[in-house]
Amino acid sequence: QKEVEQDPGPLSVPEGAIVSLNCTYSNSAFQYFMWYRQYSRKGPELLMYTYSSGNKEDGRFTAQVDKSSKYISLFIRDSQPSDSATYLCAMRVPNAGKSTFGDGTTLTVKP
Amino acid sequence: KAGVTQTPRYLIKTRGQQVTLSCSPISGHRSVSWYQQTPGQGLQFLFEYFSETQRNKGNFPGRFSGRQFSNSRSEMNVSTLELGDSALYLCASSLGQMPSYEQYFGPGTRLTVT
Repeated sequence: QKEVEQDPGPLSVPEGAIVSLNCTYSNSAFQYFMWYRQYSRKGPELLMYTYSSGNKEDGRFTAQVDKSSKYISLFIRDSQPSDSATYLCAMRVPNAGKSTFGDGTTLTVKP
Repeated sequence: KAGVTQTPRYLIKTRGQQVTLSCSPISGHRSVSWYQQTPGQGLQFLFEYFSETQRNKGNFPGRFSGRQFSNSRSEMNVSTLELGDSALYLCASSLGQMPSYEQYFGPGTRLTVT
């Protein structure tokens, strides 16, 4: 079983929709949680970085962490065609040198 | 602030050859991590260097090695290339210590082994 499970999608929504992306994890030592966006043939771009349980908002993006359920989410409000990409969740143990990634969810926002 | 740079961006090599990839982290970042990304396996951690020392290593064979220089630039070497080594190799830089472990990725080097 993978340490991080992510809904693979693909996910297709109309422009303006609210998008919900989710990951679950099994390692309770994970303390840092990240969301990355990756366009085709590009490197991942860091969108959100959170440490504690709760919500963190940045523009149209909201990251939610529930450590008790080992569940994290990324919400995208007013989705745009430019949001079409693969979204990766990642998690990290303090002082560990690596992040563990989900397999990614491919999102398409249709005009 | 300049981002993470990786060179070369594309490489085509033949089985059995070796290859060296380079990564320059964000100024002030002392940690450089390397990942391999393939469609079937996703992002797999190779190793991390912090202040010229390998601090963590993933489950890859010894053909994969790396090093970090005093200016934090890092190189990754793959010897005796195999077809299965074809992948996007990503470098990520971070401060690498509390309070921030945010990793910023470079554009990657796409390696094709024929």
